[in-house]
Amino acid sequence: GQNIDQPTEMTATEGAIVQINCTYQTSGFNGLFWYQQHAGEAPTFLSYNVLDGLEEKGRFSSFLSRSKGYSYLLLKELQMKDSASYLCAAMDSNYQLIWGAGTKLIIKP
Amino acid sequence: DAMVIQNPRYQVTQFGKPVTLSCSQTLNHNVMYWYQQKSSQAPKLLFHYYDKDFNNEADTPDNFQSRRPNTSFCFLDIRSPGLGDAAMYLCATSSAAGGTDTQYFGPGTRLTVL
Repeated sequence: GQNIDQPTEMTATEGAIVQINCTYQTSGFNGLFWYQQHAGEAPTFLSYNVLDGLEEKGRFSSFLSRSKGYSYLLLKELQMKDSASYLCAAMDSNYQLIWGAGTKLIIKP
Repeated sequence: DAMVIQNPRYQVTQFGKPVTLSCSQTLNHNVMYWYQQKSSQAPKLLFHYYDKDFNNEADTPDNFQSRRPNTSFCFLDIRSPGLGDAAMYLCATSSAAGGTDTQYFGPGTRLTVL
């Protein structure tokens, strides 16, 4: 079957760095997406990886290892507004997104 | 600004009373999706359209129907809402199926069933 695993909840301190891990198993693979979702709002796109390695976008970076079925989202210089759920989604061979349940990130002052 | 719009943002209905949720987009994307998302769960794909080609997920209940009268608009009809249908309904668009184009979401409609 197809499956995405990510931690349910993480806590970090304002100004620090946090890494949110995601492992996936899909029938075929056409890339890995990360979305941010604030409570009661829709997901907003953060990053897309299809090749192995690190993609950096300002304070956020995303890493992919296809051989390990693994990705992480790295958030630097954490701000209170980064408190949100972070959803990992892998695209399968049919170009359908297989979604994780999200990691709720709590930022403490 | 190009965007995905959903109306209403909040919808309250009574058990068994039909309800229609709407989505429109100014992105000129040819693929539109409807997802259901319950609290602390992953979004669940209900349907998607590639242009007018309708694709129903195998486990989408018959109680849910969809219409796409033109490129810009898509509707989700819930014929007889049950308490278990209370959820956030998300509309998303992308520029092509068969590709890795990003899905962009509207703000969602939160449905409450009394």
